[in-house]
Amino acid sequence: AQSVAQPEDQVKVAEGNPLTVKCTYSVSGNPYLFWYVQYPNRGLQFLLKYITGDNLVKGSYGFEAEFNKSQTSFHLKKPSALVSDSALYFCAVRPMGGNKLTFGTGTQLKVEL
Amino acid sequence: DGGITQSPKYLFRKEGQNVTLSCEQNLNHDAMYWYRQDPGQGLRLIYYSQIVNDFQKGDIAEGYSVSREKKESFPLTVTSAQKNPTAFYLCASSSMMRSSTDTQYFGPGTRLTVL
Repeated sequence: AQSVAQPEDQVKVAEGNPLTVKCTYSVSGNPYLFWYVQYPNRGLQFLLKYITGDNLVKGSYGFEAEFNKSQTSFHLKKPSALVSDSALYFCAVRPMGGNKLTFGTGTQLKVEL
Repeated sequence: DGGITQSPKYLFRKEGQNVTLSCEQNLNHDAMYWYRQDPGQGLRLIYYSQIVNDFQKGDIAEGYSVSREKKESFPLTVTSAQKNPTAFYLCASSSMMRSSTDTQYFGPGTRLTVL
């Protein structure tokens, strides 16, 4: 069975500092990995995905994520955080050939002035 | 959220009542999904549909029913058999579920509260 772990319920960073939101996964075979963001009382917005190729994936709003197969991780990063980045972030995984997307429990990011 | 609409935004239900949540998409996507979101639990799949007139149960289908009579529409009924229906419900769609690389896009959600 596939699973996703987001080990931090909350991450706090100061505006202008780099941010990292952690994600590790477990899946049989090669994974397809996704990051979504959710603002309060809204749906999820797609940020980026890793399918194959370059381990560093660039996405929307200046976010990027690094795929590390040996560590089974797909951490979300941004070089300089904004207060407006404060939201709930979800990592998700689907195995190659599979049709079910499995989500982590989410990480609340708070960017402070 | 663009392209997928959900209504109503807020819904209140008395115990014992069935309620139907609407989901419409104009993205010409084949696949549609319903998820339930509870605090601290992430998203759990209720039902999904790959084509019109076909749908499959997800991980937590008990107490829910769906239909897929049109490509654009995938309504979810929360029945009185659902023991704890208070939650945030999210509808999603993707162009082709058979492709593992496919991206799901989400609607704005419906918050259901049982009084």
